[in-house]
Amino acid sequence: GAVVSQHPSWVICKSGTSVKIECRSLDFQATTMFWYRQFPKQSLMLMATSNEGSKATYEQGVEKDKFLINHASLTLSTLTVTSAHPEDSSFYICSASVLTPRGYTFGSGTRLTVV
Amino acid sequence: DAKTTQPNSMESNEEEPVHLPCNHSTISGTDYIHWYRQLPSQGPEYVIHGLTSNVNNRMASLAIAEDRKSSTLILHRATLRDAAVYYCILMNSGGYQKVTFGTGTKLQVIP
Repeated sequence: GAVVSQHPSWVICKSGTSVKIECRSLDFQATTMFWYRQFPKQSLMLMATSNEGSKATYEQGVEKDKFLINHASLTLSTLTVTSAHPEDSSFYICSASVLTPRGYTFGSGTRLTVV
Repeated sequence: DAKTTQPNSMESNEEEPVHLPCNHSTISGTDYIHWYRQLPSQGPEYVIHGLTSNVNNRMASLAIAEDRKSSTLILHRATLRDAAVYYCILMNSGGYQKVTFGTGTKLQVIP
């Protein structure tokens, strides 16, 4: 149980275009989801906290107009990278809080490459 | 956030036990100690967690110091599939707080 599905697993886009990444909780409701970014050989960096029905909370230094987060339902949060540039190329991971002692379940990640 | 400190990397021979240490000297009374691991190009996956007592599951064991300021993840027989980055994270019982990842320990398993 407590599976988070992230889609797509990889995407290549042209510079200047927008890309949407979906994060779904398959067998539970997630009122809170988190979005991380991970550059090669580095740890996960929290970008924002996504709350169902309200605006996302962004970490310091993360541009909210560039990384649009929508959490319209209890099972879906989306991250849209707008006007993507090569420096946005990274591994993006979502996670959801699960009301069990296990804590958090993570998606499998999305490899974004901007060319 | 209460912080954790882990060695950047460790090596183990295949089939040998591995002890991955984590220091968390500022842990609070309500913080659970969680371990996740991240295989290459994948999201982190849950390994084990505990509060005060040592814990065992099919993946690993968790040994928690009596003062809770440190813990050790034990893989009883390392396999090549255990090569990953292991993260030690503190989470309080509330369940909704954001989690900060440290650098983790990259485990290399030598055949």
